[in-house]
Amino acid sequence: IQLTQSPSSLSASVGDRVTITCRASQGISSYLAWYQQKPGKAPKLLIYAASTLQSGVPSRFSGSGSGTDFTLTISSLQPEDFATYYCQQLNSYPRLTFGGGTKVEIK
Amino acid sequence: EVQLVESGGGLVQPGGSLRLSCAASGFTFSSYDMHWVRQATGKGLEWVSAIGTAGDTYYPGSVKGRFTISRENAKNSLYLQMNSLRAGDTAVYYCARAPSPYYYGMDVWGQGTTVTVSS
Repeated sequence: IQLTQSPSSLSASVGDRVTITCRASQGISSYLAWYQQKPGKAPKLLIYAASTLQSGVPSRFSGSGSGTDFTLTISSLQPEDFATYYCQQLNSYPRLTFGGGTKVEIK
Repeated sequence: EVQLVESGGGLVQPGGSLRLSCAASGFTFSSYDMHWVRQATGKGLEWVSAIGTAGDTYYPGSVKGRFTISRENAKNSLYLQMNSLRAGDTAVYYCARAPSPYYYGMDVWGQGTTVTVSS
């Protein structure tokens, strides 16, 4: 199962609403997770089951979608949110794949 | 504190071998599936292997036959034996925990250990 993220990078300002999309090459129900990774750090789980917020993750992050099309939204971008975001499909667990990543940069 | 700590990375020549370790603490290690994920410099994340609680193992085609994942529950440890290493295996290797049910994703990650394959 291939995952295609778009855009591959974006520039945004603090306070902006940011949307990242992830498209699967075949239906994966809601078996999708989103991760945030900062430079030199391990990925951090943000959302699982497409829309469930991981404990401790701020509510400005949200996820939606099912089947082949998914979205990660940051409602009001904060300085600490500048990072790279990855989607991951778990439909074929334990054989997993990640999207190519979306780098969110400061405008 | 729930923690995963990788070790064993380093510089190895093409065709060589390396064994990575991942020490788990703060949770019941034997109750979790465990994974290895790697990331080449400036690139995305790539799933490398998985081991279930019963010891069942899984690999993508890129490493199958060369890498072996194993676990030692008595020592709360996960391993990755890497043989016939290639330049393309150069990456930071992370171990990660996968809670049940599986659609929870990978909720705990180690800090990573760097493997460099070069002559």
